[in-house]
Amino acid sequence: QVQLVESGGGLVKPGGSLRLSCAASGFTFSDYYMSWIRQAPGKGLEWVSYISSSGSTIYYADSVKGRFTISRDNAKNSLYLQMNSLRAEDTAVYYCARDGAPGPIDYWGQGTLVTVSS
Amino acid sequence: QSVLTQPPSASGTPGQRVTISCSGSSSNIGSNTVNWYQQLPGTAPKLLIYSNNQRPSGVPDRFSGSKSGTSASLAISGLQSEDEADYYCAAWDDSFWVFGGGTKLTVL
Repeated sequence: QVQLVESGGGLVKPGGSLRLSCAASGFTFSDYYMSWIRQAPGKGLEWVSYISSSGSTIYYADSVKGRFTISRDNAKNSLYLQMNSLRAEDTAVYYCARDGAPGPIDYWGQGTLVTVSS
Repeated sequence: QSVLTQPPSASGTPGQRVTISCSGSSSNIGSNTVNWYQQLPGTAPKLLIYSNNQRPSGVPDRFSGSKSGTSASLAISGLQSEDEADYYCAAWDDSFWVFGGGTKLTVL
């Protein structure tokens, strides 16, 4: 069965950096686009970024453009999100998700909490 | 502010039918299919409806979706207590995904 397991969240000071990882299993990782989606405490879902199956196509939400970098290692079945210049408003649970583009985002990880606070 | 507009709350009694709306624009719902997600308290979202009205394996047929123009709807019939959750619509918009703000469904 499809499994997505995020790690790397934690408490970081404003201006700091953090790298999230997502380990995928149960499907052919290299065949799928992957996305990061976040959810601030008590708020709705916000798409952050996606990366194509080969890594050649990448898009970011305007709110993170220039600060976050998505990447993947198909040999390790892993997805990453490097987050720099973190702000308080980046505080959220970050979900790794399988992106069926052009189909739906169909599987989500359990999420990892990122807290940006001094 | 979310790109797709949903009512913040909805409610119904067990056995009732409830609908949740999702309004967008020509660049998202008007041009692409709509997906719906259910998020139970403290858990990750789960795909409930895709391509406007398709149910993934395992989703009860009490859940149905529809789309017309730049709006979509999720209907839940035979409401059950375990349906109490947050529901989100989503659609592709040019080069990125957009979500609704979510609707909190309360089963009275």
